[in-house]
Amino acid sequence: EPEVTQTPSHQVTQMGQEVILRCVPISNHLYFYWYRQILGQKVEFLVSFYNNEISEKSEIFDDQFSVERPDGSNFTLKIRSTKLEDSAMYFCASRTGTGHNQPQHFGDGTRLSIL
Amino acid sequence: DAKTTQPPSMDCAEGRAANLPCNHSTISGNEYVYWYRQIHSQGPQYIIHGLKNNETNEMASLIITEDRKSSTLILPHATLRDTAVYYCIVRPIWNTGNQFYFGTGTSLTVIP
Repeated sequence: EPEVTQTPSHQVTQMGQEVILRCVPISNHLYFYWYRQILGQKVEFLVSFYNNEISEKSEIFDDQFSVERPDGSNFTLKIRSTKLEDSAMYFCASRTGTGHNQPQHFGDGTRLSIL
Repeated sequence: DAKTTQPPSMDCAEGRAANLPCNHSTISGNEYVYWYRQIHSQGPQYIIHGLKNNETNEMASLIITEDRKSSTLILPHATLRDTAVYYCIVRPIWNTGNQFYFGTGTSLTVIP
């Protein structure tokens, strides 16, 4: 069964450094998402992306964050200058373009640790 | 999005059916009910979704009441691997980005 893959599984970065989290969505999916989950807390929506532009973003997704689909397969989340509070699990998700009720499928996440 | 209410935790004996309730009394006509689960720190796993009819797939059954104000996820024969946090999410189809808003879910423990 096709799945969403995320790399790396664990990223350790110094505060203030830039980090790029990578995702390969399911082939032929058209809608892409990033979520995060701080340890012990809820899964929180960050941003949705369709047709090469952001569809929706949450208050968390400020100017320090950006997303890109640089080629036909990857979907990336960049944090320009990381803060301690950016430490979390980051999940990528994708869904097919046919039917707005179709579910999203999630990857297993990247654990981001900011030192 | 309509708010959902789930019990914070439940136990179920291995091999028995696990029935996980969800209250969504403010649901509107265009909102679907989705169920996901999260095993330890893995990514949320899609289980099932529905609008108003009962649904069944290889993982579970979804029973939605006639007034749509509540639903029940049924795992027919729970195994230890079904121990996870289960999320009931209501989402309108007109939501531009179609993103999900997760609550705190129900932590299901399957007991040997």
